[in-house]
Parts: sequence; C-alpha cells; structure tokens
Amino acid sequence: DTGVSQDPRHKITKRGQNVTFRCDPISEHNRLYWYRQTLGQGPEFLTYFQNEAQLEKSRLLSDRFSAERPKGSFSTLEIQRTEQGDSAMYLCASGGGLAGGRTQYFGPGTRLTVL
Amino acid sequence: DQQVKQNSPSLSVQEGRISILNCDYTNSMFDYFLWYKKYPAEGPTFLISISSIKDKNEDGRFTVFLNKSAKHLSLHIVPSQPGDSAVYFCAATIYGQNFVFGPGTRLSVLP
Repeated sequence: DTGVSQDPRHKITKRGQNVTFRCDPISEHNRLYWYRQTLGQGPEFLTYFQNEAQLEKSRLLSDRFSAERPKGSFSTLEIQRTEQGDSAMYLCASGGGLAGGRTQYFGPGTRLTVL
Repeated sequence: DQQVKQNSPSLSVQEGRISILNCDYTNSMFDYFLWYKKYPAEGPTFLISISSIKDKNEDGRFTVFLNKSAKHLSLHIVPSQPGDSAVYFCAATIYGQNFVFGPGTRLSVLP
C-alpha cells in the first residue's frame, strides 16, 4: 500500500499528558499537511511542510502543538499538556512534487480522546 | 470567517438520479478547488478537482462546475448510487499551500 499512513489510529490519554502522532506520506510527495477535524466540521488546517521546511502554521496551533519533518519524509505532531478540547481526529495529507501536483491525499487519521 | 461554505448540511437523492452538491467561496485568490468524499472513521478520499482557469472538469460519473464570477462551484454525480452515500467536502487552495475546507454535505442515496 503506497498511500498515506498514520500511527496510531486511536489514542486515549489523560488530561495533562503528552501525545505524539506519526505520518508517513506518499514517497514522491514533497508537501505534507496536518489538519484537525471535529464532529460536523470540515478539516481545519494546522500546518504544512515543503520537504523539511515548515512553511505555514495556523493560528489554531497553540504553543502546546509542535510538528516536525526532520528529513523531509515522515512527520510527527506532538501535543503537550493535552486538554479535553484537543479531542478530535488528526489528519495528515501529502501532495506536491511531480506526482502530487496541487492535489493532496489524506491518511486514515488518528482519533485522539482526552479524558 | 468561513471562506468556503456548503450551505446544505444534508441531501437525499433517489438511486439513479442526479446529485448536485454546492459550494460557495469568498476569496477570489483561490486558484484550485477540490471535492473529497468521507466515510465515517476514515480520512477524506479525493474525488475530483478543477483549476480556476477552467469552468468544467469531468471524471466518469463526477463533474465539477466552476462559476468564478459567482464564486460558486458544484459537484454533479450522475447516476447516483447507494455507495455514494457519504459526507462530501469542498476545498480550495492558493498555490497548493493552505487548503480551506467547507463544513461538508451529507449525501444519502436512497435505493
């Protein structure tokens, strides 16, 4: 399977704990995006990388959120001191490069539940 | 400020008929538009896209129409099938950077 993969698929944590999610994009794509989606809403943009450079961050991304893409391949999204309001589906997408163009393709998502 | 709007939260259509999903946007700088389909507990699946320099793009049963002067696009599905029942999201982007999504329309295709 050469699609976008995300790990874990589900995460349950207690308020105040740190969590980290991983995304492996389609290998030919140089852009990688993170989104958050809550029930009844469309995906909300969080941040985007072109290769290893983080080019844009949403105002939604508080100081507790950090994302990295150290070698321009996989990416991690860390949430520190989780709050109940962080409960959501976290989606990763990739695109760009010769193969991806301006279309982005999503992974299956990581569902986070903060108790 | 919602830059991409889908004003119909839900739509029901009989199998075999046409489904028309609508989307409006406010930012005239958007140069590329996409439609995604989403099933529960899965990530959105790309369906079809259109560049701002075109007014129509067709792929099998799916056609997207773009009316730039009205800042409106629509997705037509003909004929509709029960497997098309899902939530459909409209998205827009400038140069493939920040993608902005609408809130979605839930399509139900009735057998």
